[in-house]
Amino acid sequence: EAGVAQSPRYKIIEKRQSVAFWCNPISGHATLYWYQQILGQGPKLLIQFQNNGVVDDSQLPKDRFSAERLKGVDSTLKIQPAKLEDSAVYLCASSLDPLAGNTDTQYFGPGTRLTVL
Amino acid sequence: GQNIDQPTEMTATEGAIVQINCTYQTSGFNGLFWYQQHAGEAPTFLSYNVLDGLEEKGRFSSFLSRSKGYSYLLLKELQMKDSASYLCAVLNRDDKIIFGKGTRLHILP
Repeated sequence: EAGVAQSPRYKIIEKRQSVAFWCNPISGHATLYWYQQILGQGPKLLIQFQNNGVVDDSQLPKDRFSAERLKGVDSTLKIQPAKLEDSAVYLCASSLDPLAGNTDTQYFGPGTRLTVL
Repeated sequence: GQNIDQPTEMTATEGAIVQINCTYQTSGFNGLFWYQQHAGEAPTFLSYNVLDGLEEKGRFSSFLSRSKGYSYLLLKELQMKDSASYLCAVLNRDDKIIFGKGTRLHILP
């Protein structure tokens, strides 16, 4: 079974530039998550999708971050404009359907390491 | 507020046993996860506890006490490949998952 795919794996940009990350979840997984993990810390949830609807985006800095999940499968996360403090690993994860009453394990992609100079 | 506490770093010897503790204060509780994360890699699932008690899975066991807001991950017969960060994560009553900062475990030969 293929896992969660993410691209690119690494990205280096200058501050005030824009960047986009892509995630393809495990086939059949209804729920998709984007996390930001700063070095030495645990992952912080940015946004959670259930199919193509947003379940939770309370920690997403909406002035510069946006995400979409058209057609309920792939998702993109965008930062515009980037700041130095956005340097982190951006992890995408998917799970079957925790909102259906099954607390399911989240499976993580390899992440995108973003460096903002 | 929501808070998950675990030690920042621990060191243990190959072949030994180590216990990584996690305490939590969250808005409700729907379960607790432990994940393993090797440097530069994504977290991988280790265990899930929703009822009190010990869940054993090979060399790894996870314990939960909901009344105490406490869990631990027990690793036996430590191997060098167990050197990694171990993340405690709690699912609150809204089914939102909150991660701790992780415990970096160093295994010495």
